[in-house]
Amino acid sequence: SQTIHQWPATLVQPVGSPLSLECTVEGTSNPNLYWYRQAAGRGLQLLFYSVGIGQISSEVPQNLSASRPQDRQFILSSKKLLLSDSGFYLCAWRTPGTGGETQYFGPGTRLLVL
Amino acid sequence: GNSVTQMEGPVTLSEEAFLTINCTYTATGYPSLFWYVQYPGEGLQLLLKATKADDKGSNKGFEATYRKETTSFHLEKGSVQVSDSAVYFCALSDRNGGYQKVTFGTGTKLQVIP
Repeated sequence: SQTIHQWPATLVQPVGSPLSLECTVEGTSNPNLYWYRQAAGRGLQLLFYSVGIGQISSEVPQNLSASRPQDRQFILSSKKLLLSDSGFYLCAWRTPGTGGETQYFGPGTRLLVL
Repeated sequence: GNSVTQMEGPVTLSEEAFLTINCTYTATGYPSLFWYVQYPGEGLQLLLKATKADDKGSNKGFEATYRKETTSFHLEKGSVQVSDSAVYFCALSDRNGGYQKVTFGTGTKLQVIP
């Protein structure tokens, strides 16, 4: 069966520090991968998605970046965090192609920037 | 573009009350429709889905029917429990986009009191 992992679960970082959040998927090949951010009391905002290694689509301009160095690994990064980067970051995957429309979410990383 | 509108929360109900959370959508193609649930501190879980008009998705006592004529996918449950307290997200995925992206509503928080 497929599983998705995210770490760390919780992170407290000072403004201006770098960030690296990791997401890995097991039990599937060539998944579509997604990064979402959920601000406190808000809905989900799609940040990035990837349909393959090295292929990243950015949905919103920001100081974050994403990379996919391996088929089932998706990394969210920042060189310098802002206060507004605080939130709950969710990674998700889906099977590519039609019929694989359901996205499956990881447990999330809660980031607090102080 | 695609959009999902769901009722504002929080919704507060007594245990065993009937639940309805309204959801309407706008889509250019032939979307699949979803309800996701997020329990406190966790990622999103797929609750139910429907992939074509008049389909009814159901799970754990929750139901939603895909109504193309009213572009709606309202979530219902006949008798809620305290354990149903969570945030519920309505979402759609468009076949025309290869299901690569999911459009989420802003979420409706449900609080069930004993």
